[in-house]
Formats: sequence, C-alpha cells, structure tokens
Amino acid sequence: DTGVSQDPRHKITKRGQNVTFRCDPISEHNRLYWYRQTLGQGPEFLTYFQNEAQLEKSRLLSDRFSAERPKGSFSTLEIQRTEQGDSAMYLCASGGDPYNEQFFGPGTRLTVL
Amino acid sequence: AQTVTQSQPEMSVQEAETVTLSCTYDTSESDYYLFWYKQPPSRQMILVIRQEAYKQQNATENRFSVNFQKAAKSFSLKISDSQLGDAAMYFCASGNYGGSQGNLIFGKGTKLSVKP
Repeated sequence: DTGVSQDPRHKITKRGQNVTFRCDPISEHNRLYWYRQTLGQGPEFLTYFQNEAQLEKSRLLSDRFSAERPKGSFSTLEIQRTEQGDSAMYLCASGGDPYNEQFFGPGTRLTVL
Repeated sequence: AQTVTQSQPEMSVQEAETVTLSCTYDTSESDYYLFWYKQPPSRQMILVIRQEAYKQQNATENRFSVNFQKAAKSFSLKISDSQLGDAAMYFCASGNYGGSQGNLIFGKGTKLSVKP
C-alpha cells in the first residue's frame, strides 16, 4: 500500500445524473476525510469518518451528497442530481493521528455539463 | 470559526535563491496545529512542514523552515536554495486538537514559480 487512491480520476457527467466516487485510504489509518477543491481555491472540508462512523459533515454537504465508509475501510461519496456547481476536484485524505499529517489522494475531477 | 489567509496569489523566485510565502490565520482555539502543503501541477498534495502551536521553536525540514509568530497569528514558509521541483501551489492550513475533528482549514494558496 503506497498511499491513498481514488477512483475514478476523472468523471464527466450530465446535469441531473448521479455519480459515485471511491477512496481507498492507507490501510492502517482510521480517519478519512473528504474535501472539495474548486479552481483557484484551497480544499474545503466536506465530511469526516473515524473508522465507519461519520462524525462530522460540513454545511457544504447538501442533501444531495452522501458518504459512507462501510467496515471502516474504503469510502464512497455519492452526489445525486448533479448540478454544474458541483464541478470540482474531490479530494480524499486519510490519517492515523488527528494531530499529524493527512495523506491526500490524487483526487477525482468532476465535470458536470 | 477558523480562517486562513494567503495574501500572495503568485510568487516567483530564481533558482538557488530564497523565497518566503506568507500566511495568517485566525482561531479561537488555544491548541491547534499548522501545516504547509505543496500541490504540484496535476499531482497530489503532499506535506511540506508541520508546526504545533504550543511549540515555540520554529519547525524546519531541510530547505524548508517556518517563521511562526503566535501572537501575530502568522505562519510563513521560507524555502532556501530554491529548486525547479519546488514549483507548485503551496497551501497553508490549520487544524484543531481534540474533539472528533482534525479536519483542516486551507488558505487559497500561493502559486510559486521557479526561474532557471
């Protein structure tokens, strides 16, 4: 295991469609974070898991967004009824200690047409 | 709420020279930590350096060092002997101790160019 992986790397969809992204964290990490990054901005926090429990959700995470982390391993982020404003890079990060480094994946770039 | 401000959208440095990237932050927390992350073009974000707020000594990692001014809520990054591979977006970030969080608050980033 060499790092955090995300799939797919790129996704193009039409407005109104549902999309799902996957994140595989570093295996020994119990913390997993989702961030969204738009052009010219830094990453913005979306949600956080400790093991399988989703402990925090940002106000940015509308009702169309849902995230899961079954069995505390990989995580999925689903966006329902996509809108053009959802176009962004979706970053996943994992960490073992909340006070230390978060390791980021390469991101999934979503384009909503 | 925590905020992180990077006032320099772009910076440029000559190879082998030194450059300083600025960052200010605002937090009501007494215990927190600060990071600089590097995001090369089309590549994933990696940690450059980390500083715990309770430590007075400035963190250093090889050619990278910080100037942490807690009272001024300033956290600048100094890159010495700049190399072409240092060209990237640099993000300053802050995070809290405790609770169930640990999520990071990022600035908007500074794009660093390195001239040969």
